[in-house]
Amino acid sequence: EDKVVQSPLSLVVHEGDTVTLNCSYEVTNFRSLLWYKQEKKAPTFLFMLTSSGIEKKSGRLSSILDKKELFSILNITATQTGDSAVYLCAVERGTSGSRLTFGEGTQLTVNP
Amino acid sequence: GAGVSQSPRYKVAKRGQDVALRCDPISGHVSLFWYQQALGQGPEFLTYFQNEAQLDKSGLPSDRFFAERPEGSVSTLKIQRTQQEDSAVYLCASRKYGGFQETQYFGPGTRLLVL
Repeated sequence: EDKVVQSPLSLVVHEGDTVTLNCSYEVTNFRSLLWYKQEKKAPTFLFMLTSSGIEKKSGRLSSILDKKELFSILNITATQTGDSAVYLCAVERGTSGSRLTFGEGTQLTVNP
Repeated sequence: GAGVSQSPRYKVAKRGQDVALRCDPISGHVSLFWYQQALGQGPEFLTYFQNEAQLDKSGLPSDRFFAERPEGSVSTLKIQRTQQEDSAVYLCASRKYGGFQETQYFGPGTRLLVL
């Protein structure tokens, strides 16, 4: 059975801090690992990491994938209060139309 | 363009009632997924459609749950004889095809509360 474990489950920081969110996984026939940001609404897509793209960056956010050790990290630098959200990590199998298996999420709170 | 939409956004049901939740995927998206998200948890897969064909329903928790997508666009998730443990947010996601490096786009969800 596919498994995704995220840590920490919650994190409280001050504006300007840098945070690192962790995601470890076990999946049969790995295709991709995805990061989503969820405020009180739809999860919004951040990054997809695959064998051909193990490092992604967008503004203050960046993510890497270690396929050997089966984990990923999401970094957020110079955090802002608008970064407060639940960050979800998910993995996808390499089969047609495959489902996503999610971790529990990390609740990030950025205080002014 | 419009994203994935879901209705209703909130639903309160008495235990034993039947409910129907609607999902309008992004226009032209072939793949459609339903997930259930309990409070404080990540989403869990329920079922998957490719066009009108339901190719995977292994995540449906019981035979009280039924999903359909008769014309390959709008989908409905129906829960019969609701129980308190059905209380959750039900998320719908769509994807253009299912190919490599395609992402799933999520709707805002329907928050179901069973009293």
